[in-house]
Amino acid sequence: AQSVTQLGSHVSVSEGALVLLRCNYSSSVPPYLFWYVQYPNQGLQLLLKYTTGATLVKGINGFEAEFKKSETSFHLTKPSAHMSDAAEYFCAVSLPQGGSEKLVFGKGTKLTVNP
Amino acid sequence: NAGVMQNPRHLVRRRGQEARLRCSPMKGHSHVYWYRQLPEEGLKFMVYLQKENIIDESGMPKERFSAEFPKEGPSILRIQQVVRGDSAAYFCASSLQGSSGNTIYFGEGSWLTVV
Repeated sequence: AQSVTQLGSHVSVSEGALVLLRCNYSSSVPPYLFWYVQYPNQGLQLLLKYTTGATLVKGINGFEAEFKKSETSFHLTKPSAHMSDAAEYFCAVSLPQGGSEKLVFGKGTKLTVNP
Repeated sequence: NAGVMQNPRHLVRRRGQEARLRCSPMKGHSHVYWYRQLPEEGLKFMVYLQKENIIDESGMPKERFSAEFPKEGPSILRIQQVVRGDSAAYFCASSLQGSSGNTIYFGEGSWLTVV
């Protein structure tokens, strides 16, 4: 069964600083990987996803993530944090076609951006 | 093009009452998913439905919970005889095809409070 571990339930950065949110997964086969963002009292919005091809994936709002199979990781980064990036971020996996249709989520990382 | 619509957004029920949460998927989407988010937790998969069929209900509690997605009308998540532990945010999501690798779109959630 797949699982997702997000290291650090809370991350705090200064405005303009690098954002790094960590995600490691466990899966018997290379999974599909996703990052979602959730603003308070709202639903989840897809930031980016990796299915096949280039391992460095660019998403919305300047975020990107790199799939590293050897490290079973899919860390999310942004070079320069903005106040509007303050939110909760969820990493998720699903199995490729033929496997489960469901997404398995990590517990989330709450990002605080300090002025 | 309207997104995934959920209602009610907030629902308060007394212990023992029934809660009905509705979800209208994005236009043209025939795959619907329900997830539950408990405080300080990530989203947990509950059920995956296509029109008139339950495909995967492995995340549904064995008792009191049921879901349907009829040929006409929204998907319904029904919780009978609610208990305090049912208090959570319930998110519906939809996709054009099965979610493996395909983008699934989330609604803004229904917050259930059991008093």
